[in-house]
Amino acid sequence: DADVTQTPRNRITKTGKRIMLECSQTKGHDRMYWYRQDPGLGLRLIYYSFDVKDINKGEISDGYSVSRQAQAKFSLSLESAIPNQTALYFCATSDPGYEQYFGPGTRLTVT
Amino acid sequence: LAKTTQPISMDSYEGQEVNITCSHNNIATNDYITWYQQFPSQGPRFIIQGYKTKVTNEVASLFIPADRKSSTLSLPRVSLSDTAVYYCLVSGNTPLVFGKGTRLSVIA
Repeated sequence: DADVTQTPRNRITKTGKRIMLECSQTKGHDRMYWYRQDPGLGLRLIYYSFDVKDINKGEISDGYSVSRQAQAKFSLSLESAIPNQTALYFCATSDPGYEQYFGPGTRLTVT
Repeated sequence: LAKTTQPISMDSYEGQEVNITCSHNNIATNDYITWYQQFPSQGPRFIIQGYKTKVTNEVASLFIPADRKSSTLSLPRVSLSDTAVYYCLVSGNTPLVFGKGTRLSVIA
């Protein structure tokens, strides 16, 4: 089984809809992250959490919110989706100072 | 967050050694240097991490000079399957910041 799973893997939604992307991990890591990737732009950090009670904004948090329901679960929500949020979204986990493990990604299209 | 600069793209023939250099002039004392590899539509994968001098594992070597203001990822005898984007990152206790990376194309 994969260490980091993301659901859904692909999603098409309409402008204005609320959508949630979910991430689960079996690594036992305290730290979890959400990134988005647009073609040619590398990965940009949306939100991160260093433990269950900790939530921090990243580079591009506007239009997004997160929930850390448990050590193993970190969800990303788009409150009112817009077309420029069309991107590939990655969840990642890590221990402090150690490598990050990435999920397989969620391809989101907002029409 | 320390910023890194690396070449946008590189080409190499199969079987050659590839060296990708990254500059990080503002690296802090407690920062580590980490390299990731990413294939299209997949999440980045950890390659190697170091603090100073040289680190080697089964897939790559990482060379870091004494001033730590730059680092070089060395991939020995690349194959077509090494075609990917390679990211150089610097961080201590802060989240990783990915730049655009270096797109390596390996040619037969």
